[in-house]
Amino acid sequence: NAGVTQTPKFQVLKTGQSMTLQCAQDMNHEYMSWYRQDPGMGLRLIHYSVGAGITDQGEVPNGYNVSRSTTEDFPLRLLSAAPSQTSVYFCASSYSGTPRQYFGPGTRLTVT
Amino acid sequence: GESVGLHLPTLSVQEGDNSIINCAYSNSASDYFIWYKQESGKGPQFIIDIRSNMDKRQGQRVTVLLNKTVKHLSLQIAATQPGDSAVYFCAESPSGGSNYKLTFGKGTLLTVNP
Repeated sequence: NAGVTQTPKFQVLKTGQSMTLQCAQDMNHEYMSWYRQDPGMGLRLIHYSVGAGITDQGEVPNGYNVSRSTTEDFPLRLLSAAPSQTSVYFCASSYSGTPRQYFGPGTRLTVT
Repeated sequence: GESVGLHLPTLSVQEGDNSIINCAYSNSASDYFIWYKQESGKGPQFIIDIRSNMDKRQGQRVTVLLNKTVKHLSLQIAATQPGDSAVYFCAESPSGGSNYKLTFGKGTLLTVNP
């Protein structure tokens, strides 16, 4: 199986544009999450989901929306991109009951 | 080890030496700890984990040590190889219903010199 996949790999946006970062997993994991990674800041949790139809905010949710209509997919939406959202975004998933998360390859987003 | 600030802590070792990467965690209620390896341009990759009821766990060429008294975690890599060059993150997770959430440290850059 492919594990956790993310598209696109790279994206450049202008301030105010919107876009959706895609994440999919084929491991039937209940838990999925989105992180952003900035230099010197480690990974910070944006939003997470413990199952289809259930989402919740993480540490840095402002400016981002998520939904989870299926077990496999967990898209992250930027409604109005800002330069402060320039970052590398990682999606991760895990089985229920374990924090051991598996990460996708990341999306590098630049907002000008 | 981990530190606050914009610059990653770095560790430089010779190929074949043993490496020790340290991490101080903040939450005494954390129940589960994980080490991840991140190579340039890739996502974090699981290395090894340990629960709070253990103080040592071994994997293939790696050992994790947990000292709950001083809230310290370390990753030991035996016979370090050039392919081990990467950023290493520790992550902690609380006990209870929110055990899905991970809080990551800021990472340590390991450079292995041939």
